[in-house]
Amino acid sequence: QKEVEQDPGPLSVPEGAIVSLNCTYSNSAFQYFMWYRQYSRKGPELLMYTYSSGNKEDGRFTAQVDKSSKYISLFIRDSQPSDSATYLCAMSRQGAQKLVFGQGTRLTINP
Amino acid sequence: DTGVSQDPRHKITKRGQNVTFRCDPISEHNRLYWYRQTLGQGPEFLTYFQNEAQLEKSRLLSDRFSAERPKGSFSTLEIQRTEQGDSAMYLCASSPGLAEETQYFGPGTRLLVL
Repeated sequence: QKEVEQDPGPLSVPEGAIVSLNCTYSNSAFQYFMWYRQYSRKGPELLMYTYSSGNKEDGRFTAQVDKSSKYISLFIRDSQPSDSATYLCAMSRQGAQKLVFGQGTRLTINP
Repeated sequence: DTGVSQDPRHKITKRGQNVTFRCDPISEHNRLYWYRQTLGQGPEFLTYFQNEAQLEKSRLLSDRFSAERPKGSFSTLEIQRTEQGDSAMYLCASSPGLAEETQYFGPGTRLLVL
């Protein structure tokens, strides 16, 4: 079993919809949680960063972490065609330097 | 542009050849990381440097792989005797080396071994 599980999709929604992306993990030592966006043939771009449990909002993006359930989410409001990309969750332990990534969810926003 | 840069962006080589990739981190970032990403998968950690010291290596980093960061600035990743299974995107990332663990990625080097 992988440490971080993420549904690869693909996920296709109409423009303006609310998108929900999720990851589950097995290692309770994870303390830092990130979401990256990756366009085709490009490097991952950091979207959201949270420490421990709770919510964080940045514009149209909201990240949630539920450590009791080992479950993290990214919500995208008012989705735009330019949001079409692969979304990767990543996490790390306190004091550890390596990020452990999910497989990535491929998202398409249809105009 | 003050982001992480990588060179070359694409590399095609024949099986058995050696290849070397370069990464220039964000200025004043003390930590530098290498990851490998295959099609349809998330990046997998290979190794990381704190300044010039290589502090952690993944089991994925076989004897054919070597990484250096000689002056604590840019880094190189060399693959000797390439195999078709080495075909992947090689990503470099850097971070400030403070308590925050945020890593910023470069555009990657896409390697194809024929």
